[in-house]
Amino acid sequence: DGGITQSPKYLFRKEGQNVTLSCEQNLNHDAMYWYRQDPGQGLRLIYYSQIVNDFQKGDIAEGYSVSREKKESFPLTVTSAQKNPTAFYLCASSPSARFPGANVLTFGAGSRLTVL
Amino acid sequence: EDKVVQSPLSLVVHEGDTVTLNCSYEVTNFRSLLWYKQEKKAPTFLFMLTSSGIEKKSGRLSSILDKKELFSILNITATQTGDSAVYLCAVPAEANRDDKIIFGKGTRLHILP
Repeated sequence: DGGITQSPKYLFRKEGQNVTLSCEQNLNHDAMYWYRQDPGQGLRLIYYSQIVNDFQKGDIAEGYSVSREKKESFPLTVTSAQKNPTAFYLCASSPSARFPGANVLTFGAGSRLTVL
Repeated sequence: EDKVVQSPLSLVVHEGDTVTLNCSYEVTNFRSLLWYKQEKKAPTFLFMLTSSGIEKKSGRLSSILDKKELFSILNITATQTGDSAVYLCAVPAEANRDDKIIFGKGTRLHILP
């Protein structure tokens, strides 16, 4: 079945550690996105990528980094520079973000990161 | 600045009631507006709206877009406890040479039995 796989589902880290969240899709989608969700905040865009080897900062990119070396994969690294990293992280993809009808996002099940 | 604003942020009603959720937007080069339902983890797609005044309908859910006044509404009639969820509104916004998809804060709907 086609879809998006995020791992791990739950992750605990100590302050000062970097962690990487995995996101893999087999939908052959061009665009991929990372969102952060906090209670009462909706989804806030961290990074997005329209094509391999290219990505753009979203609204809250500070303290995060990404790579897009393969079309199927868009890992997110939460660095120690992120001041408040405890949150629910959602990865999504779409066929393309530019054309109407191609904006519909498919989401992964999310990764919940807790910093101890 | 591009933004998407949803109201109310929270709503509690009894089963059988009808609810209307609102989404207003200000984005560069508007092309579409999307509604999602988030029950526990992954949001799931409900509707995509591109033209004013054309109602999209799926069972007890319906949605319509007003491009002149820059808003959309999502209606749910004869609500059931399974409708309890966070409803998210999203709009693609043009940013440089790429598009980013902006979400509102969501409306948390709770249906009482």
